[in-house]
Amino acid sequence: GQNIDQPTEMTATEGAIVQINCTYQTSGFNGLFWYQQHAGEAPTFLSYNVLDGLEEKGRFSSFLSRSKGYSYLLLKELQMKDSASYLCAVIDTGGFKTIFGAGTRLFVKA
Amino acid sequence: SAVISQKPSRDICQRGTSLTIQCQVDSQVTMMFWYRQQPGQSLTLIATANQGSEATYESGFVIDKFPISRPNLTFSTLTVSNMSPEDSSIYLCSATGGTEAFFGQGTRLTVV
Repeated sequence: GQNIDQPTEMTATEGAIVQINCTYQTSGFNGLFWYQQHAGEAPTFLSYNVLDGLEEKGRFSSFLSRSKGYSYLLLKELQMKDSASYLCAVIDTGGFKTIFGAGTRLFVKA
Repeated sequence: SAVISQKPSRDICQRGTSLTIQCQVDSQVTMMFWYRQQPGQSLTLIATANQGSEATYESGFVIDKFPISRPNLTFSTLTVSNMSPEDSSIYLCSATGGTEAFFGQGTRLTVV
């Protein structure tokens, strides 16, 4: 079966660093996406990992360990506008469809 | 990157009627998908839109209820048929062309 787990909610302080974890068990694996979604808006692509290791893009970094079925999204220098839901999504090799986790709602406080 | 235009952005429909949602991508993409997102929840995949052939539906979704077309690489439609209030949701079109995936703006459907 397909299972993608991430924490439901997290709270962090402006200027701090937060790490959002994602574990997955899927029948196939062809990469992992992280998305940001503000309330009432469509998801916005943040990162893609297909090989093990860390991908850095500005204030956002994403890490993947395929052997552990584990990824995290790291957000540095948090800003109030980073308050949003963060979605972990795995691309299945069967049809290359993307399966989404339930999302982590991040609250950034002053 | 690709830009996806989805319309309508929102609609209020009577139960028993049907609504067709359109999705236009500004460049050729490999895969197109349709998702549903209930308020406060994550995205549920409805189906993969296959060019020139029948869509591939996920468990719990059937062609009679959600007919999908994809006549070419850049355009797809999703119809929500014989609507009931339970179909009230946000419907999202997604397209992938490699290592990125993009979403349309979504269609907020309310069935009364």
